[in-house]
Amino acid sequence: KAGVTQTPRYLIKTRGQQVTLSCSPISGHRSVSWYQQTPGQGLQFLFEYFSETQRNKGNFPGRFSGRQFSNSRSEMNVSTLELGDSALYLCASSDGQVYTGELFFGEGSRLTVL
Amino acid sequence: KNQVEQSPQSLIILEGKNCTLQCNYTVSPFSNLRWYKQDTGRGPVSLTIMTFSENTKSNGRYTATLDADTKQSSLHITASQLSDSASYICVVRGGSQGNLIFGKGTKLSVKP
Repeated sequence: KAGVTQTPRYLIKTRGQQVTLSCSPISGHRSVSWYQQTPGQGLQFLFEYFSETQRNKGNFPGRFSGRQFSNSRSEMNVSTLELGDSALYLCASSDGQVYTGELFFGEGSRLTVL
Repeated sequence: KNQVEQSPQSLIILEGKNCTLQCNYTVSPFSNLRWYKQDTGRGPVSLTIMTFSENTKSNGRYTATLDADTKQSSLHITASQLSDSASYICVVRGGSQGNLIFGKGTKLSVKP
């Protein structure tokens, strides 16, 4: 069974640009969640999608947005990039059980903002 | 405020030795507690998930304990191997929205 696939793995952008990251979950999983990981803050929850609907959202500004398609693939977008957005962005898929569902993480997309 | 605190921040041990990592949380209400292992440059991998009623759970050489009364958890690694070198992250699901709240992790280095 293929794991969670994130693309691109690495990217470099400049301040003010926008970026779109993609996540393909494990086959059969309908929940996809996104996380930001930085050395200072650790892992922080961004948002979660289940069956194309945003089910939960963390405390991030509106520049961070996401969506999920009918095939469960998900994208997240960050607009008007800031230096502080440099981070590893991780996506995880699960079977959708909110409280007990096991999370399977991808390898992440490392974003550098110059 | 819902928080997860881990200690120590970093730890160096010799191969073959045991070690214990600590996690204290103030998350309420509590749903479950998870331990993840994250190798450098990779995504986290789940080790254990424990609910309120479970106080011990093992996964090979990894044993997690949970004391829901004192809101403390520990991860014990037995007979460490070089491949155990990684960050170990404690995560609590809970709070009013049932979100995942992450600790900042303990970086473990196992030396030969």
